[in-house]
Formats: sequence, structure tokens, C-alpha cells
Amino acid sequence: GDSVTQMEGPVTLSEEAFLTINCTYTATGYPSLFWYVQYPGEGLQLLLKATKADDKGSNKGFEATYRKETTSFHLEKGSVQVSDSAVYFCALSDNGNAGNMLTFGGGTRLMVKP
Amino acid sequence: DSGVTQTPKHLITATGQRVTLRCSPRSGDLSVYWYQQSLDQGLQFLIQYYNGEERAKGNILERFSAQQFPDLHSELNLSSLELGDSALYFCASSVALSGNTIYFGEGSWLTVV
Repeated sequence: GDSVTQMEGPVTLSEEAFLTINCTYTATGYPSLFWYVQYPGEGLQLLLKATKADDKGSNKGFEATYRKETTSFHLEKGSVQVSDSAVYFCALSDNGNAGNMLTFGGGTRLMVKP
Repeated sequence: DSGVTQTPKHLITATGQRVTLRCSPRSGDLSVYWYQQSLDQGLQFLIQYYNGEERAKGNILERFSAQQFPDLHSELNLSSLELGDSALYFCASSVALSGNTIYFGEGSWLTVV
């Protein structure tokens, strides 16, 4: 079945540091890929998405490129802020006609220190 | 604000009891999903409804059931509750059956004591 693997956290960075959170996936078809973010005490928010190979999703300074050859969708940000502290989830949807369920990775907690 | 509304936000109940969680999808969305987030299992898909019909099922226990009503709101019923059912339950919605972005509500925190 489909699966998503993320780097384990927590990831602790100083403000303005460069961020990379690794995500790799296993899927039988051509999935869509997503990053969701969960701020403390809140629900899941869609951060960015990519629907086909070589697509780059971007939002709020975050970027991720759909790499089919390496089955990866790593999240990057050039300069993190304290307000970026949250748990980040990589996910895929297999776009099957039977449904649209998301398969999530285990989440990576990011802590940004001033 | 995603537009997906869940109630209640917090719920504490005893083992063996039954609870109902309610979800209103975004305006215009026909698909509703339920997910469970727990410390040991992570985020797990439970079930999907599309326009009132069940369309996909994940790791949902037999003690749990869901339905989607004609006005498209959905309810997740959890019965014979156990301590291990304590979790954050998310509802999510999307426009169509597949191929669309899924938007999540803020979740319902269930604590079983």
C-alpha cells in the first residue's frame, strides 16, 4: 500500500536558518503530494501541494518539488521564523476513483528559537 | 479558517460510553472525511462519504460508525469507548470524490477516562 516517510524530529533551528524536512513516498500510481502544518493547539492547514512530477508547490516562503525519480517531496524554507514552529506533515493522495484519502507521514516537529 | 466546522471542540467521557462528533463541511463540498490523530498511531484515515454515500473505508473500528446527511453534514459515532480511543478526531472536506484538495477542521479532542 501507499506510505509516506518523514524525517523524525524534533528539528531545532535558530531564527533565519535554512530548513529542510525530508519526505519520501511509496505509491503505486501517480499521487498528488501535500504538506500540511499543525500549529500548537490548532487543526491541520494545507501549506502547499504538487499534483504531478516536477511541479513545485510554494506558500509563505516554503517550497517543495515533486521528484518522481527519487520519490521525494522535501520541504524547504530559506529563512525560518519563530512563528514557523509547528508540526509538519507530508501526505499523498493516490487520486483513485474509489476515494481521495490522504496517507500521512508521522509528522516532524519544528522548533525555531529566537 | 478552513470553513470546516467541528463540534464539540473538547469532550471528556467515561469508558463504555457513546459519543457523537459533528462536522459541517465547507460550503459546496460534497466529500467528507474523518481522521483520527493519536500519539501512537499518528494520523489515520477512518472513512469517507460522498454526497451521502460511503465511498472509502480505512482503519475504522467496528465500534465506530459514521453517516452523511442530506444537508451534507456528517456525524461520527464512537461507542463502547476505551481509553485507547482518546485522540483528536478531524473532519475534512473536499469538492469532489477525488483529485481535489482536502481541507481540515480544527478537530474534536476526545478524552476517555
